[in-house]
Amino acid sequence: GDSVTQMEGPVTLSEEAFLTINCTYTATGYPSLFWYVQYPGEGLQLLLKATKADDKGSNKGFEATYRKETTSFHLEKGSVQVSDSAVYFCALSNTGKLIFGQGTTLQVKP
Amino acid sequence: GAVVSQHPSRVICKSGTSVKIECRSLDFQATTMFWYRQFPKQSLMLMATSNEGSKATYEQGVEKDKFLINHASLTLSTLTVTSAHPEDSSFYICSALGTGGQKSYNEQFFGPGTRLTVL
Repeated sequence: GDSVTQMEGPVTLSEEAFLTINCTYTATGYPSLFWYVQYPGEGLQLLLKATKADDKGSNKGFEATYRKETTSFHLEKGSVQVSDSAVYFCALSNTGKLIFGQGTTLQVKP
Repeated sequence: GAVVSQHPSRVICKSGTSVKIECRSLDFQATTMFWYRQFPKQSLMLMATSNEGSKATYEQGVEKDKFLINHASLTLSTLTVTSAHPEDSSFYICSALGTGGQKSYNEQFFGPGTRLTVL
């Protein structure tokens, strides 16, 4: 079945450091890919998405490119802030049903 | 737009009682809503998919008699945890798949979640 694998956390970075959170997927067909963010005590928020190969999703300085050849959708940000501390979930959708990765906790220290 | 609300945000109940959680799409119609359960520091686990006017489809391993789902209108779905026990304590999250306007088929909008604690 379809699945999503994320790098294990927590990821701890200093402010202004470069961020990469790896995400790979296994799916039939051509799924849409998503990154969601969950801030402490809150629900999930869509961060960015890509619906076809080579699409780049971007929002709030975060980017991810849909790489079909490597079945990857890695999340990147050039300069993280303390306010980016949260749990990040990679997800895919083939039929409207979302399949989530296990989540990666990001801690950004001043 | 695309706001989904959940009520209550937190609930504490005694073992053996039933708890109802509401999920509403505030500014769009949701033919399909999803219910997830999230354990501390873990991912979301899909419990069931509910379609307006029909019975919910439960994921493998989820007790349908334990977690009753009703999707009576295009803007409201409810999850009732019956005869709750401490192991049912969790964070329950709903999402709604919108129809019409800018709501694409492949995007879900999430509620803020409900923290259930069973004593």
